[in-house]
Amino acid sequence: KAGVTQTPRYLIKTRGQQVTLSCSPISGHRSVSWYQQTPGQGLQFLFEYFSETQRNKGNFPGRFSGRQFSNSRSEMNVSTLELGDSALYLCASSNGQGGYEQYFGPGTRLTVT
Amino acid sequence: GENVEQHPSTLSVQEGDSAVIKCTYSDSASNYFPWYKQELGKRPQLIIDIRSNVGEKKDQRIAVTLNKTAKHFSLHITETQPEDSAVYFCAASIPGSYIPTFGRGTSLIVHP
Repeated sequence: KAGVTQTPRYLIKTRGQQVTLSCSPISGHRSVSWYQQTPGQGLQFLFEYFSETQRNKGNFPGRFSGRQFSNSRSEMNVSTLELGDSALYLCASSNGQGGYEQYFGPGTRLTVT
Repeated sequence: GENVEQHPSTLSVQEGDSAVIKCTYSDSASNYFPWYKQELGKRPQLIIDIRSNVGEKKDQRIAVTLNKTAKHFSLHITETQPEDSAVYFCAASIPGSYIPTFGRGTSLIVHP
């Protein structure tokens, strides 16, 4: 099976702009979760989508949003970018049931200048 | 919700030594405990996991132990090698939550 893929791998944006990141899960996986990773902050959970519905949400401002398509591919959007949004954004896919492994993508490195 | 504490945040050992990383969780209903390894510049990858009906699990040089009563679980790496250097994350899952709660990570440095 092909692994989780994310595009683009690297992005440089300016404060105030918006950005869209994409994640394609492993075939057959219906759950996609998004995480923000910054040095020393571990994996901060953003949200999880399952069957095109947001099922779980972390404590991030409304500037962070997402969606999932019928083929389980997911996108994450960040509007009005701030310097503090610079991070590695990871998505992970799973079969959607609790207690099972999440498979991570390679991440998108976002730099906001 | 679940809360996972992980210690230490940094662990430095000599090659050949053992390393132990400890995590505690808050919700006694948690029943699945995975450990992920993230090498520099790479994605986190599952290295071992344990379910609440098992007290210990081994895979070559790594092992995980679970104490449900105390609500803590640990990762043990024996005969450490430089390639074990990475950030390790523990996590805990509550039935029905669908996503794990991660610890903040431990940076393991193995000196040759």
